[in-house]
Amino acid sequence: QKEVEQDPGPLSVPEGAIVSLNCTYSNSAFQYFMWYRQYSRKGPELLMYTYSSGNKEDGRFTAQVDKSSKYISLFIRDSQPSDSATYLCASDGSSNTGKLIFGQGTTLQVKP
Amino acid sequence: GAGVSQTPSNKVTEKGKYVELRCDPISGHTALYWYRQSLGQGPEFLIYFQGTGAADDSGLPNDRFFAVRPEGSVSTLKIQRTERGDSAVYLCASSPSGGETQYFGPGTRLLVL
Repeated sequence: QKEVEQDPGPLSVPEGAIVSLNCTYSNSAFQYFMWYRQYSRKGPELLMYTYSSGNKEDGRFTAQVDKSSKYISLFIRDSQPSDSATYLCASDGSSNTGKLIFGQGTTLQVKP
Repeated sequence: GAGVSQTPSNKVTEKGKYVELRCDPISGHTALYWYRQSLGQGPEFLIYFQGTGAADDSGLPNDRFFAVRPEGSVSTLKIQRTERGDSAVYLCASSPSGGETQYFGPGTRLLVL
């Protein structure tokens, strides 16, 4: 079992839809969680960063962490074609070196 | 300001050859990370530098892989006797002090024929 798991998709939605992307993790010691966006042939770009349980909102993006169920989510409101990319969830694991453990990534396509 | 840069952007080599991949981190960032991303997968950690020293090299797959950062800035990932299974995108990231906010470069796409 991978430490961070993510459904690879692809996920296709119409423009304006609310998108829900999800990950699960296996180790209850994980503390920090991130969502990265990766466009084709580019490096990952940090979107959201959260610590412990709860919600964090930034514009159209909301990140949610439920530590009791080891479940993390990213919601995108009013999705745009420019949101079409691969979304990677990640955790710092339980190390203190900052190395990240990534999920497989979910490919999202937002159709005009 | 300038982000993380990596050269070359693409590298094609033959099985058994030696390759070097270069990473220029964001100026002033003391922490530098290398990851490897295979097609359809998320990045996998290889090695972490804090300054000039490798603080964690637990992700290096075998002794054909080696990385250096002699002056605490630029880093080079070296792969000896390349194998077809080494084909992947090699990503470099840096952060100000080794915390969780890592900034990634565009990657080097390595293809071993």
